Amino acid sequence: QVQLVESGGGVVQPGRSLRLSCAASGFTFSGDAMHWVRQAPGKGLEWVAYIWHDGSNQDYADSVKGRFIISRDNSKNTVYLQMNSLRAEDTAVYYCARDPSGSGWALHNWGQGTLVTVPS
Amino acid sequence: QSVLTQPPSASGTPGQRVSISCSGSSSNIGSRTVNWYQQLPGTAPKLLICKDNQRPSGVPDRFSGSKSGTSASLAISGLQSDDEADYYCSSWDDSLNVVLFGGGTKLTVL
Repeated sequence: QVQLVESGGGVVQPGRSLRLSCAASGFTFSGDAMHWVRQAPGKGLEWVAYIWHDGSNQDYADSVKGRFIISRDNSKNTVYLQMNSLRAEDTAVYYCARDPSGSGWALHNWGQGTLVTVPS
Repeated sequence: QSVLTQPPSASGTPGQRVSISCSGSSSNIGSRTVNWYQQLPGTAPKLLICKDNQRPSGVPDRFSGSKSGTSASLAISGLQSDDEADYYCSSWDDSLNVVLFGGGTKLTVL
């Protein structure tokens, strides 16, 4: 049974940093791409970043490019999101999601999310 | 405004069939597959339809997806009260090199 568990959220002051983690189990983690998607309070889904199965490629939404870094440790079955220079508009629930190889960018499994709050 | 355009709301009565549209362009829906997600209140999104019209294991066949040109649709037949949720379409965009989500459609079962 696939399980994704995010952690690391909290309240952080503008300009500071925070690192989110997502622990995966129930599938071959090293074989799948992983994504971060966020949802601001009362708003829709916004894709944040993805990383290939082996970490060799990543990409980011323009809204976070240059501030956020996605990484993974396949030996620990964990994907990370390092968030720097945080802004009030980064306030959201952050979800990690699994993108199986060949899925056509379909996110088959999602974690429960972790809330990040950046006061204005 | 989202690059993928969905109606903000839709509604139907139990047993009815409803459709939700998703309009894009040649750089996303027109050249890539479309995925649909269901988000029940207070929960994480769930994959409902992948690769335009495929249902992942466990998704009832009341849910179906279709695509034509630069538009896609999600259809729900035999509407149930449990279907009341937000629905999002999604696709990769070859020009922007990002995963796109539609703005979401809130489905109300009357």
